[in-house]
Amino acid sequence: KAGVTQTPRYLIKTRGQQVTLSCSPISGHRSVSWYQQTPGQGLQFLFEYFSETQRNKGNFPGRFSGRQFSNSRSEMNVSTLELGDSALYLCASSAEFNTEAFFGQGTRLTVV
Amino acid sequence: AQSVSQHNHHVILSEAASLELGCNYSYGGTVNLFWYVQYPGQHLQLLLKYFSGDPLVKGIKGFEAEFIKSKFSFNLRKPSVQWSDTAEYFCAVTSYNNNDMRFGAGTRLTVKP
Repeated sequence: KAGVTQTPRYLIKTRGQQVTLSCSPISGHRSVSWYQQTPGQGLQFLFEYFSETQRNKGNFPGRFSGRQFSNSRSEMNVSTLELGDSALYLCASSAEFNTEAFFGQGTRLTVV
Repeated sequence: AQSVSQHNHHVILSEAASLELGCNYSYGGTVNLFWYVQYPGQHLQLLLKYFSGDPLVKGIKGFEAEFIKSKFSFNLRKPSVQWSDTAEYFCAVTSYNNNDMRFGAGTRLTVKP
């Protein structure tokens, strides 16, 4: 069974640009969550999608958005990039509530 | 919203020493509890989880954790660590019937051979 796949693995963007990250969950998983990992703030929850609907949202500005497609693949978009958005962005998938989450390798975003 | 505290930022042990990493959470309702490990250059992997039932949970690689509801704690233990246990360990919690996982700051474990 293939794991959670995130693309691309690395990205370098300039301040003010926007970026889209992609996540393919484990087959059969309908819940996809996104996290930001930085040395200073640790792992922070961004949002969760289930069956194409955002179910939960963390405390991030509106520049961070996401969506989920009918095949459960998810994208995360960050607009008007800031230097502080440099981070490892992790995606996790799970089958439903009260089940374990499986994490991808992450996308390392560097904003210059 | 729930929050998670991990007591130790960096722990250094010699091989064969016993390990206990502290984790406390704050949330008034029913919770699911997790310990994840991140080896250098690798993705987060689940060590063990608690949803309900026996509060003493056994995970992979000889790790175990005990859920103490009255103390809002879920400490991770291993009787004898190995050099290969060098990694960062994260405690995490979700509220019941929710997937908004909240993580602790992480504990970096260094095991000296």
